[in-house]
Amino acid sequence: DTAVSQTPKYLVTQMGNDKSIKCEQNLGHDTMYWYKQDSKKFLKIMFSYNNKELIINETVPNRFSPKSPDKAHLNLHINSLELGDSAVYFCASSQLAGGPADTQYFGPGTRLTVL
Amino acid sequence: LAKTTQPISMDSYEGQEVNITCSHNNIATNDYITWYQQFPSQGPRFIIQGYKTKVTNEVASLFIPADRKSSTLSLPRVSLSDTAVYYCLVALRRALTFGSGTRLQVQP
Repeated sequence: DTAVSQTPKYLVTQMGNDKSIKCEQNLGHDTMYWYKQDSKKFLKIMFSYNNKELIINETVPNRFSPKSPDKAHLNLHINSLELGDSAVYFCASSQLAGGPADTQYFGPGTRLTVL
Repeated sequence: LAKTTQPISMDSYEGQEVNITCSHNNIATNDYITWYQQFPSQGPRFIIQGYKTKVTNEVASLFIPADRKSSTLSLPRVSLSDTAVYYCLVALRRALTFGSGTRLQVQP
């Protein structure tokens, strides 16, 4: 009965490769997010989708491309991986599209290591 | 953009009450204050949210003064399992970065 799930949990790959991380939520939420947590533990938003529509697109290299096939799924594809992409990536979902009283539910994270 | 300031770290002992204060001087009229908890190797988890005065749930209490320029998360009788990073968030949609949070270490 996992609320927000991500696969894989760990991802180790070489520079230059292309990889994808999948996220699914069974909470019935309309909004989903991708966050990146770096080695200093800062959690920064990358993208947000509301009902399959992109609503937040932070300054992220265009090597990162989110895809939302339906409102329960938000996948993250990364092209031409670089060393600096190594981080933990968290998927999250919420009901209120990031409104003032919104709360987010986070997945377990995907630890990406680029060698 | 509502910026928050919290202590970087705090230490406590089991059974003590822990209060973590967050400053948010430029909070907007319709902003709520939300606290999250993050354990190592896990995603942040919602703890509590409030708009003004006091909110209490089974996990914590949140105290918000009348001017709303700060808030205090209160954890009663902490245990070792409360060791985590605690984030204060104001205005989710504009809080694009959670900040460094407060690392709480509970000792036996």
